[in-house]
Amino acid sequence: NAGVMQNPRHLVRRRGQEARLRCSPMKGHSHVYWYRQLPEEGLKFMVYLQKENIIDESGMPKERFSAEFPKEGPSILRIQQVVRGDSAAYFCASSREGQVFGEQYFGPGTRLTVT
Amino acid sequence: GQQVMQIPQYQHVQEGEDFTTYCNSSTTLSNIQWYKQRPGGHPVFLIQLVKSGEVKKQKRLTFQFGEAKKNSSLHITATQTTDVGTYFCSTGTASKLTFGTGTRLQVTL
Repeated sequence: NAGVMQNPRHLVRRRGQEARLRCSPMKGHSHVYWYRQLPEEGLKFMVYLQKENIIDESGMPKERFSAEFPKEGPSILRIQQVVRGDSAAYFCASSREGQVFGEQYFGPGTRLTVT
Repeated sequence: GQQVMQIPQYQHVQEGEDFTTYCNSSTTLSNIQWYKQRPGGHPVFLIQLVKSGEVKKQKRLTFQFGEAKKNSSLHITATQTTDVGTYFCSTGTASKLTFGTGTRLQVTL
């Protein structure tokens, strides 16, 4: 029973490039969440999606960041024109309909480094 | 939005000693979750508390939700080196979790 999958695990981008982070939720899970974690800090909510719908994007920066969860395929977090401050670990989590509220399953994360 | 503060930020104990981390809020919380993140790893769900005064145990771990639902604690009895990591509390709404800043636990022999 595969857990939440994220790829790539490590991503290096130069300033101004685009970063695409992928997340495949656990089998049977229809809810996807993205969180960002800066070094030595807690996790900050970015966005919550269900299939083909963005439910809550209150944590997403207004510019350069976007997320999608298409009907087929993984959820994508896209960061355009990356800057050094975007360097962080990006975690995806999933949950299923009717699951114990607050119990989210996290993927291994994508560590983004912007040079 | 809701915020949760955790103390201490860091704790270093010798193996066998007990450890407690506290999670506090200025507002009443409807729920609290606890997660553990090993160094270089990802958060792993430990437990959820929803009732006032609730106490739950998992082997050497004891979780408590305050009577006023404004604070919570995680206590580890007789720590082991496998307990090393950062412990986060969080609280949730319908769509997201808000995490505390975490308590980093270091255990030495």
